[in-house]
Amino acid sequence: DVKVTQSSRYLVKRTGEKVFLECVQDMDHENMFWYRQDPGLGLRLIYFSYDVKMKEKGDIPEGYSVSREKKERFSLILESASTNQTSMYLCASSLGGGVGEQYFGPGTRLTVT
Amino acid sequence: QKEVEQDPGPLSVPEGAIVSLNCTYSNSAFQYFMWYRQYSRKGPELLMYTYSSGNKEDGRFTAQVDKSSKYISLFIRDSQPSDSATYLCARSGGSNYKLTFGKGTLLTVNP
Repeated sequence: DVKVTQSSRYLVKRTGEKVFLECVQDMDHENMFWYRQDPGLGLRLIYFSYDVKMKEKGDIPEGYSVSREKKERFSLILESASTNQTSMYLCASSLGGGVGEQYFGPGTRLTVT
Repeated sequence: QKEVEQDPGPLSVPEGAIVSLNCTYSNSAFQYFMWYRQYSRKGPELLMYTYSSGNKEDGRFTAQVDKSSKYISLFIRDSQPSDSATYLCARSGGSNYKLTFGKGTLLTVNP
């Protein structure tokens, strides 16, 4: 059974704090993704990684960075959290090639006050 | 024009109704189409995927692609209150491992 886990379900941080969101997948997938999801805006891709230490910017990378030191783990970093980064953050993974279906984690609801 | 357009709803139906959820797309390149279901405060889960054209059935769910009109549909037969969720359509583009998502349709099935 496919499994993507995220480090926290709910997180509350203060403006200016550095925030780490971690994602782990146990399916040996090459690709990993970070999205944010906001009402009326749908899923927006922040960053993705197609291999260890490889990353590419998605549609809204500003204010975020990522790290992928091991194949199974993909971290999203908010260098200096701001209130407009309050959102639901979703991690996903997929095999390289093929259909390209992505498997999602349960999400982290981040509130920045 | 966004690559995948989806009516956000909300859609409210009585239990047992046949539900039709729809998306349109603009890019005609080789691709797969997927449907995800997302319960409130949870991550999306993959329901099913189809190739560029044709139908695929899985229990009460049928996914359909009309390539000529660039229309993709998900039909739910005998809908249940447990089907109440947001449904997201998505397309992949051949070797491109990114997916393009619609914004989702919120469905409520009333008992």
